[in-house]
Amino acid sequence: ETGVTQSPTHLIKTRGQQVTLRCSSQSGHNTVSWYQQALGQGPQFIFQYYREEENGRGNFPPRFSGLQFPNYSSELNVNALELDDSALYLCASSLAPDIAYEQYFGPGTRLTVT
Amino acid sequence: GDSVTQMEGPVTLSEEAFLTINCTYTATGYPSLFWYVQYPGEGLQLLLKATKADDKGSNKGFEATYRKETTSFHLEKGSVQVSDSAVYFCALRLGRAAGNKLTFGGGTRVLVKP
Repeated sequence: ETGVTQSPTHLIKTRGQQVTLRCSSQSGHNTVSWYQQALGQGPQFIFQYYREEENGRGNFPPRFSGLQFPNYSSELNVNALELDDSALYLCASSLAPDIAYEQYFGPGTRLTVT
Repeated sequence: GDSVTQMEGPVTLSEEAFLTINCTYTATGYPSLFWYVQYPGEGLQLLLKATKADDKGSNKGFEATYRKETTSFHLEKGSVQVSDSAVYFCALRLGRAAGNKLTFGGGTRVLVKP
C-alpha cells in the first residue's frame, strides 16, 4: 500500500511569486489536511478537503488556497509569497474527516522564500 | 482557543536513561490526545494516542496517560535508545465542530547519546 506522497521535496521561490504544492493521498482516503510547520515550531492547520470541498480552515489568509481532485489528491496554492511563508508544508490523508480516523502524514515539501 | 504546551528542549540523555516530556492542554470539550514523532528529514509519525480520560496509550516502550483533572498527557519511556533521538510533538484533536484538525505543541527535541 502506497503511503502519502508529496512533491516537490524542496522548492525555492522569490517573494511575490506563486507556488503550487502537491499531495497524493493514501489509497482509499478521501480527506486531505494541510499543515504549515515553521522551523523549530509545531505544525499549524491550514485547511482540510473532503470529497473535493473545503471542510475547515485555520487562521491563514486567503492567498492560501487549495483544491482536491476526483482521485482525492490535493494541491496547496500560495500567492504573493512572503518571507514568512518559508516552512515545511505537510499534508495528511485519512479515510474520512471524523475524529475516529487517523491522519497519515507525508514527508513534506520544504519551501524557501528569498 | 484550543492549545497545547509542551516542555522546551533540547532534552539530552544518555542511553538507557528515563525520558519524560511534559504536555498540558487547553480545550473546549473533550479532545483526543496524541504524541507524534518526527525523525530528521521525515514527516510526522503517530507514536500513540488516547481518546478519553484515564486511557493509557502505549507503543514502542513509550507511554502516556490522559489526565483530565490536570489536563495533561506526559510522555514517558523507561530506557531510551540512540534511535529515539527525534522531535516529539504533543497534539489534540476535537470533533467536527472544531474542524477535525490537529492542534500541535511546539515540539521537544530529544537527543540520546551512546
